[in-house]
Amino acid sequence: NAGVTQTPKFQVLKTGQSMTLQCAQDMNHEYMSWYRQDPGMGLRLIHYSVGAGITDQGEVPNGYNVSRSTTEDFPLRLLSAAPSQTSVYFCASSKGNAGYGYTFGSGTRLTVV
Amino acid sequence: KQEVTQIPAALSVPEGENLVLNCSFTDSAIYNLQWFRQDPGKGLTSLLLIQSSQREQTSGRLNASLDKSSGRSTLYIAASQPGDSATYLCAVQSGSARQLTFGSGTQLTVLP
Repeated sequence: NAGVTQTPKFQVLKTGQSMTLQCAQDMNHEYMSWYRQDPGMGLRLIHYSVGAGITDQGEVPNGYNVSRSTTEDFPLRLLSAAPSQTSVYFCASSKGNAGYGYTFGSGTRLTVV
Repeated sequence: KQEVTQIPAALSVPEGENLVLNCSFTDSAIYNLQWFRQDPGKGLTSLLLIQSSQREQTSGRLNASLDKSSGRSTLYIAASQPGDSATYLCAVQSGSARQLTFGSGTQLTVLP
């Protein structure tokens, strides 16, 4: 049981480039989320999904797109990378019941130069 | 809007001490509360989950309590060890989309 898998683990981008951070879970979880973690800012919600075909914006959505075509996958797209998007990105998933918490991936460390 | 606060921001204790980390949240309409551990440069490891109907959960040397009406949770670590050194994050699940809101964490250092 792999849990939540994020790829890549590290990435360096040039300003203006685009890329997709991949997130996949094999637990049949309906709820999936993307967070970014910055020093002094904690973990902030970027986008989330409550099921296949349903996505919504979190606290800091600007510059990012998401889609949820399957239950398993929830990719995060950076449209035109900016240095302000240098961060560590975490994907998480949950069944959405009160008795279940969120499981996190190991993160993607992104640097935009 | 849900807001989560953790006190203290940093804590340094000698090995063997019992310690308490605090978490407070502004909206008591939560589904559950999760405590995570994060080692430097690593991901989040879930330690304990307390459902809104529960008062406490225990795992080994860790005990977490929840007082939903007052918007407070504590994480008690017994007989601390240097291996407990990490950042501890509190997060509440709330809202129609059951999203997590995180506190800023408590950085714990246990000295040998």
